[in-house]
Order: sequence, then structure tokens, then C-alpha cells
Amino acid sequence: GQQLNQSPQSMFIQEGEDVSMNCTSSSIFNTWLWYKQDPGEGPVLLIALYKAGELTSNGRLTAQFGITRKDSFLNISASIPSDVGIYFCAGQVHAGNNRKLIWGLGTSLAVNP
Amino acid sequence: DGGITQSPKYLFRKEGQNVTLSCEQNLNHDAMYWYRQDPGQGLRLIYYSQIVNDFQKGDIAEGYSVSREKKESFPLTVTSAQKNPTAFYLCASSSLTHNEQFFGPGTRLTVL
Repeated sequence: GQQLNQSPQSMFIQEGEDVSMNCTSSSIFNTWLWYKQDPGEGPVLLIALYKAGELTSNGRLTAQFGITRKDSFLNISASIPSDVGIYFCAGQVHAGNNRKLIWGLGTSLAVNP
Repeated sequence: DGGITQSPKYLFRKEGQNVTLSCEQNLNHDAMYWYRQDPGQGLRLIYYSQIVNDFQKGDIAEGYSVSREKKESFPLTVTSAQKNPTAFYLCASSSLTHNEQFFGPGTRLTVL
């Protein structure tokens, strides 16, 4: 199936550093979602974006819906050890009643205390 | 306490046996989904359902079956026809007016 290009694949940073990751698609999306998954758990929704250009924050997390509607980024400021996990982007192309999400392969984040 | 429950957390089966994974939600969501996740991989859609008694195949439906007899429940059966069933299985649900999917804690299936 179709997948998003999510980068970087992995990151290893020092506590306190800022983090940026992004997703790009060849298709125009109407929705961008960002999730975090801890080991052995289900993904948890962090931020949902519905409008081109939309910039939304959730605590230290900020995400933007790209103007072209083909990309999105997620920033984490002042990282802490509990930010460790895998971050996934997901997008949706509205096509009638199609509710399927297209998923990136994830960005694995490690934080050195 | 609203949410999605999956049981069991860990499941072991012998090769050749069918196994059914449970997924229940009390969020009053119309749509439910099953995903498979392998190490280092993203989420791959197995089946989804937008209404009771109706469901559609996802990208990797072969070797799996589902039913949707109740709005709250969407069990997944991993059949013996599935060539490589060992994986982490995730269930999710969403409303039909919003695209956010909410996930259960997952079931790790190991076929010996």
C-alpha cells in the first residue's frame, strides 16, 4: 500500500535539545496526524491537523500542516527522557467514504539524559 | 472510563491453529480497524469496518477474517492460512466525522 516518506528514520539526541521530524507525500492530504508509540503499547495521538498552513501546539510539541498539503512536520522542544519512543505521521486523502489512513514508517527517538 | 481494550496482551499458539483476538470499544465510534505491526515497520491495515455487519479488506487481508456483529466489538481471527502470523496486532476506532483513530494497547501474537 501507499506510504509516506518520514524522516529521519532515527535520532539520538541529548536531553534539552530540540527535535524536528517531517513527512512528505506525493498525494494531497486533507488531514495530518502525529502519534507517539511507546514500546509494546498502542500509538497515542499527539496532534491532529486539518487545514493547510495550520500550526498547532500541544505542550512542547508543535506540528504544522504544509501549505502544499503534501507535507507536515513535528517539532519537540527541550527534549526530556520520556520523549523516547517512535513517532508516526499519518495522513488521509478524502475519497468518498474512505476512512483509511496512510502511515509513515516512523522516527525512532532516543534521548541521552 | 472510555477507551479501547484488547485481550489478551500476549498470546501463544501452535502453528496451524486459528486464533481470535478481541477488540472492544466504549467510545461509541462507528469505525473500527485492525493493524499489524512488525519490528521496525509501520502500521499495515488488515481490515476495517465503518458500520455493523459490514467490513472492507485493507492492504494485507489474506489469512485473516473479521466480524462486526456489534458496534462495540470487532474481533480478528488469524487463520492457519496466514503464512507469518507472529506480530503485534493493534485495534483502533474512530468516529465518522473525525479522522483521528484511537488505539488499544495491542496484542502480541507468537506462533510456535
